[in-house]
Amino acid sequence: AQSVAQPEDQVNVAEGNPLTVKCTYSVSGNPYLFWYVQYPNRGLQFLLKYITGDNLVKGSYGFEAEFNKSQTSFHLKKPSALVSDSALYFCAVSDNSWGKLQFGAGTQVVVTP
Amino acid sequence: DTGVSQDPRHKITKRGQNVTFRCDPISEHNRLYWYRQTLGQGPEFLTYFQNEAQLEKSRLLSDRFSAERPKGSFSTLEIQRTEQGDSAMYLCASSRTRGYTFGSGTRLTVV
Repeated sequence: AQSVAQPEDQVNVAEGNPLTVKCTYSVSGNPYLFWYVQYPNRGLQFLLKYITGDNLVKGSYGFEAEFNKSQTSFHLKKPSALVSDSALYFCAVSDNSWGKLQFGAGTQVVVTP
Repeated sequence: DTGVSQDPRHKITKRGQNVTFRCDPISEHNRLYWYRQTLGQGPEFLTYFQNEAQLEKSRLLSDRFSAERPKGSFSTLEIQRTEQGDSAMYLCASSRTRGYTFGSGTRLTVV
């Protein structure tokens, strides 16, 4: 069984400040980890993924995430947040590269000017 | 193809009616997935096809739900005798090797 926890329902940050969205996971075997962003009434947009290799993964729109195996975490980060980053962010895990994704409940990010 | 297409974008139906949604995946993608997302929740897996074969179904997919992918191309998701609890966003995704591309979803409202 696999599971994902996003401990924060909402993250508030001022524009220009660093943004962090937390995610922890549980999976048997090697994890395949993903971050998606969703704008109102839209589908999911892919941000980045970890399959193997470097623990620091760089993705779209200036986002990056750090894979930490010992803490089973995959936190999403952005050094300087923009108002346009305000959206719903989902972390997801799979136990292989093509199987079903298990999503977290999502974290609403609010970036204020 | 530039992405995964879903039709319709919105559907309002009366309780008890049947509805069908369509998903057109990226043409070279052999895997296709359906997810359901209710308000305030993350997407939940419903079913998965590899080519035309339906390889896995969630327990969420009751006997009122059926999905097909004839010829391994587009897919349809049908809900029979809709209930108010079926109101949700239905998302389709496709994949070839690694990673998934999601469509914009079909929002179903059962009144």
